[in-house]
Amino acid sequence: GQNIDQPTEMTATEGAIVQINCTYQTSGFNGLFWYQQHAGEAPTFLSYNVLDGLEEKGRFSSFLSRSKGYSYLLLKELQMKDSASYLCASGAGSYQLTFGKGTKLSVIP
Amino acid sequence: DADVTQTPRNRITKTGKRIMLECSQTKGHDRMYWYRQDPGLGLRLIYYSFDVKDINKGEISDGYSVSRQAQAKFSLSLESAIPNQTALYFCATSATGQSFSYEQYFGPGTRLTVT
Repeated sequence: GQNIDQPTEMTATEGAIVQINCTYQTSGFNGLFWYQQHAGEAPTFLSYNVLDGLEEKGRFSSFLSRSKGYSYLLLKELQMKDSASYLCASGAGSYQLTFGKGTKLSVIP
Repeated sequence: DADVTQTPRNRITKTGKRIMLECSQTKGHDRMYWYRQDPGLGLRLIYYSFDVKDINKGEISDGYSVSRQAQAKFSLSLESAIPNQTALYFCATSATGQSFSYEQYFGPGTRLTVT
């Protein structure tokens, strides 16, 4: 299986940096996705890591360590609009994604 | 126009009723998925289809059935709705052979309430 573990909730201050961690089972692993989901809306793609290291995309970066079964999403210069749930998802065989339960991030002034 | 559409967007139905949720996509993707989302449980896969002749059960298929009428259309049916099927349902698509072959694109969701 691809059990995904991520914190349930986090709170951070506008303008700050926050790191959301995700661990997953490594068997059959084929890539790690991060999605953003605002309340009541569809998840939208943020990032994809298949090799170890850091992928940077504007204010958002994602890191992967395959040997440790570990990823994090780093959000810089937090804005109020970043308040959302962040879903970690692991890809395995048959092009399926297994999603974590999501981390609800609240950005406060 | 949205690439992945779902109808209806909201539905309230009674226990025991049959209901169909529909999904259409204009992305030209071959793979389609149905998920449900419940508070505290995240997204869980119900069924998926890799082409018109291919249907596969996901993690929680009991009580649901699907039909892939065409490459662009994938319907989810609840034969006899029960209250614990109250949830937010998402359709998603993905494409074979792209660099991000796992990347899934989600529809806007259908909020279903079974009373």
